[in-house]
Amino acid sequence: QKEVEQNSGPLSVPEGAIASLNCTYSDRGSQSFFWYRQYSGKSPELIMSIYSNGDKEDGRFTAQLNKASQYVSLLIRDSQPSDSATYLCAVTSRHYGQNFVFGPGTRLSVLP
Amino acid sequence: NAGVTQTPKFRILKIGQSMTLQCAQDMNHNYMYWYRQDPGMGLKLIYYSVGAGITDKGEVPNGYNVSRSTTEDFPLRLELAAPSQTSVYFCASGRDRGRDGYTFGSGTRLTVV
Repeated sequence: QKEVEQNSGPLSVPEGAIASLNCTYSDRGSQSFFWYRQYSGKSPELIMSIYSNGDKEDGRFTAQLNKASQYVSLLIRDSQPSDSATYLCAVTSRHYGQNFVFGPGTRLSVLP
Repeated sequence: NAGVTQTPKFRILKIGQSMTLQCAQDMNHNYMYWYRQDPGMGLKLIYYSVGAGITDKGEVPNGYNVSRSTTEDFPLRLELAAPSQTSVYFCASGRDRGRDGYTFGSGTRLTVV
């Protein structure tokens, strides 16, 4: 089983809709969870972090964590064409000294 | 404030050649990392360092070496380049392991032919 799994997409949503991105992880001891956005040809940039079960909101972004189900998600409200990018889920792993393991990413396309 | 600086941005190597990818950060971060990213894939951890003089292997360390003589610099050495090492390499640094997220450099695109 892979450490971190994501649907590769592409996920296409119309402008103004809610985009829902999902991530599952295998290490029950994982403590920190991050979402990074990566535009084509660019480096990843941090957009959200979450450490406790429940929801965390930051502007148009909401991260959701369920440790019992080993599931973390990212909701993007009022999606804009500028949100079109690949979204990487990153989870700390005991197997690698609590460093991050990244999922393969989900490519999001927001259609005008 | 430069953040994390990687050089070079692009490089083409012939099979069997060696090279060093440079990474420097000016944020006084203790934790530094090297990742590689293959097309359509996530980031794979190659090596990491928790401070000067301390390094450890990640998920995919074979064919690479690192050193950390100062807090600021974390070079990645490729010995005997192989086509399988064609990838984009990202260096990252962080203040606290896994807690605040990482700051990434702009990447080095390496092609081995």
